Amino acid sequence: DAGVTQSPTHLIKTRGQQVTLRCSPKSGHDTVSWYQQALGQGPQFIFQYYEEEERQRGNFPDRFSGHQYPNYSSELNVNALLLGDSALYLCASSQRMVGPDTQYFGPGTRLTVL
Amino acid sequence: RKEVEQDPGPFNVPEGATVAFNCTYSNSASQSFFWYRQDCRKEPKLLMSVYSSGNEDGRFTAQLNRASQYISLLIRDSKLSDSATYLCVVDNYGQNFVFGPGTRLSVLP
Repeated sequence: DAGVTQSPTHLIKTRGQQVTLRCSPKSGHDTVSWYQQALGQGPQFIFQYYEEEERQRGNFPDRFSGHQYPNYSSELNVNALLLGDSALYLCASSQRMVGPDTQYFGPGTRLTVL
Repeated sequence: RKEVEQDPGPFNVPEGATVAFNCTYSNSASQSFFWYRQDCRKEPKLLMSVYSSGNEDGRFTAQLNRASQYISLLIRDSKLSDSATYLCVVDNYGQNFVFGPGTRLSVLP
């Protein structure tokens, strides 16, 4: 049973560029959440997708957008990259109608903005 | 004030020691509570859910006090492999996780 997978593992971009990160949820899971984790801090919630719609959003600007596909996989897009966007981006999947539920995390994508 | 706060750490303890982590949360409507463990440069992994009645899993015991909005994690007989950052997590609106900043534990030989 494959767990949550993310790609790419590492990414280096320059300021102003755009980036797309990808996530495949754990088998049987229909909900995908994205988090940003800066060095030395806990993960911060970006947004959550269920049934191909954004259901909840944290305190992140519109430069951060996402998408969920019919197979439940998801993308996180960040436009106009800033130095402060450098972080570990974590995807977590869960099964929405089972609760209180736990979220299972992928290995993350480490983004460096130069 | 941050929504979830934890002991600042780091905690450096010898093998075999008992160590306790504390966490407080500000939203009284919070629904579910968890402890996650995160190894260096890895993803968080679920350690245990936390219930009002308290729960135990081997050497690990978690407690929740809803009245005080306080969560704890006790690790007995610490092992070298317990070295990690421990994240207190609160679920407010159904799968919207709010993480604390984490408390780093180093178990020393």
